[in-house]
Amino acid sequence: EAGVTQSPTHLIKTRGQQATLRCSPISGHTSVYWYQQALGLGLQFLLWYDEGEERNRGNFPPRFSGRQFPNYSSELNVNALELEDSALYLCASSTGTGSTNEKLFFGSGTQLSVL
Amino acid sequence: DAKTTQPNSMESNEEEPVHLPCNHSTISGTDYIHWYRQLPSQGPEYVIHGLTSNVNNRMASLAIAEDRKSSTLILHRATLRDAAVYYCILRDYNTDKLIFGTGTRLQVFP
Repeated sequence: EAGVTQSPTHLIKTRGQQATLRCSPISGHTSVYWYQQALGLGLQFLLWYDEGEERNRGNFPPRFSGRQFPNYSSELNVNALELEDSALYLCASSTGTGSTNEKLFFGSGTQLSVL
Repeated sequence: DAKTTQPNSMESNEEEPVHLPCNHSTISGTDYIHWYRQLPSQGPEYVIHGLTSNVNNRMASLAIAEDRKSSTLILHRATLRDAAVYYCILRDYNTDKLIFGTGTRLQVFP
């Protein structure tokens, strides 16, 4: 069974540009979570999608946005890139039962570098 | 959001047991305690979770204090492959967010 896949693995952009990151969840999973991990820091919660709807978002500015498609894959868009947006962006999926009991399965991430 | 507190780093020798502590004094009655670990250059992976009772699986054991204000992840025999950052997390019932702290970096020496 394929795990959570993210693309691209690495992305280099310049300040002011837009970045689009993609995530394919495990087959059968309907929930997708996005996290940002800056170098040497813990994971910061960004967004949670379930059944195509945004369910919750973390303390990030509106230029961080995303969507979930009917096949449950997801995109994270970052507009007007700033240098401090350089980080590893991790996607996770779960079965979406809404239970605090369920596990998250993470991808290997997209390393975004803003020059 | 309920917070967790973990030591920044711990060390162990191979084949020895490791006890990784976590404090979560503001835990609510419906919060599950989850542990994940992140190996170098990888995304986090699930280790174990529990609510009130101690839990065991093939990777580790989770000991939860009776008042649930703290827990301990136990690796029974550390291996070099267990070197990772271990995150203790509370699953927030209301928001369904997994709030990660900075975790404990575990070093394992041969």
